[in-house]
Amino acid sequence: QKEVEQNSGPLSVPEGAIASLNCTYSDRGSQSFFWYRQYSGKSPELIMFIYSNGDKEDGRFTAQLNKASQYVSLLIRDSQPSDSATYLCAVSPSGNTPLVFGKGTRLSVIA
Amino acid sequence: DTGVSQDPRHKITKRGQNVTFRCDPISEHNRLYWYRQTLGQGPEFLTYFQNEAQLEKSRLLSDRFSAERPKGSFSTLEIQRTEQGDSAMYLCASSFLSGRAHEQYFGPGTRLTVT
Repeated sequence: QKEVEQNSGPLSVPEGAIASLNCTYSDRGSQSFFWYRQYSGKSPELIMFIYSNGDKEDGRFTAQLNKASQYVSLLIRDSQPSDSATYLCAVSPSGNTPLVFGKGTRLSVIA
Repeated sequence: DTGVSQDPRHKITKRGQNVTFRCDPISEHNRLYWYRQTLGQGPEFLTYFQNEAQLEKSRLLSDRFSAERPKGSFSTLEIQRTEQGDSAMYLCASSFLSGRAHEQYFGPGTRLTVT
């Protein structure tokens, strides 16, 4: 059973701080890793993807991947109240295949 | 709007009725996925297509569920004899099979309530 684990939260951070969201996965052969943001009642929105070990930055977001530790994280710099949402970690076991999702971490950015 | 679209956005039905949902993927995408999401959970995979071929079905997809993508464009998901446990958000996503670029983009979802 391929699993993706996330802390459900809520994770509360003050406005302007760095939010750090973490995810572990069970399938060592997993190829692709994604972070989705989901506002309440809405569908998931893709915000970051990473395929290789290391860091990938896009604006205020940085995704970090460590395949040896089976760990992927998302850093949000200068957190804004509009970043308050559930963040879903998703893993593709074999590249372009169905995603396995974690349950998500609820982030609350306090103004 | 060139994103994934789904119809209807909301559906309320009585137990035992049949329902059908439609998904139109991003036009150049050749893979289409169906997921189901319940409150407090991440999306769970149901089935997916490459062009018109259905490649995989999840064990979640009982024989009451069927999906088609007849011409490799839009897809339909039908649930027969609905049960209260079918109440969920049904999400469609699409991607383009090309090298390592296989990000999946979701539509707005269809929220099903079975009474």
